[in-house]
Amino acid sequence: TQLLEQSPQFLSIQEGENLTVYCNSSSVFSSLQWYRQEPGEGPVLLVTVVTGGEVKKLKRLTFQFGDARKDSSLHITAAQPGDTGLYLCAGLGGYQKVTFGTGTKLQVIP
Amino acid sequence: DTEVTQTPKHLVMGMTNKKSLKCEQHMGHRAMYWYKQKAKKPPELMFVYSYEKLSINESVPSRFSPECPNSSLLNLHLHALQPEDSALYLCASSQGGAGYEQYFGPGTRLTVT
Repeated sequence: TQLLEQSPQFLSIQEGENLTVYCNSSSVFSSLQWYRQEPGEGPVLLVTVVTGGEVKKLKRLTFQFGDARKDSSLHITAAQPGDTGLYLCAGLGGYQKVTFGTGTKLQVIP
Repeated sequence: DTEVTQTPKHLVMGMTNKKSLKCEQHMGHRAMYWYKQKAKKPPELMFVYSYEKLSINESVPSRFSPECPNSSLLNLHLHALQPEDSALYLCASSQGGAGYEQYFGPGTRLTVT
């Protein structure tokens, strides 16, 4: 069974602070996605990383895929209240099977 | 258009009722998924359809019955559910293959009374 552990589980920070969320596994994934989900809504895809060592930037968000394709991180610079939500990583392993991470609930206080 | 639609948005049903959840996408995706999500937990995969055929069933109880009438539609038929089945049910679709991305619908909030 492939597991993806995210840390921290919960994070409450002030507007303007920086933060990093980690997504770790002992398994190798062919690609990894990051999603943000708001209460009562479906997850919204933020980014897909495919190549080991890959770094992608999306405005204030920076995503990195580990060299061995077993882990990933999400860094947010100058967090804003609109960044509040549940952040989920998801790894593509076997045939069409996606494993979701345990989730990180982020609250950004104005 | 990267939209996946789900109906209804909310559903309350008794344990003896029969109801269906519907999902639709017009992105030409050939894989569609049902997930169940409990509060503060990640989505749990239930079923995967690939090219309109059931390819993955994650040992889901038979009171949940999926159906894929065509490549754009996915249904989930519900019968004799239990209160613990109350959850957010998410549909997703993807092109399929390595490096693909899943696009999710807004979900159906199901409450079983």
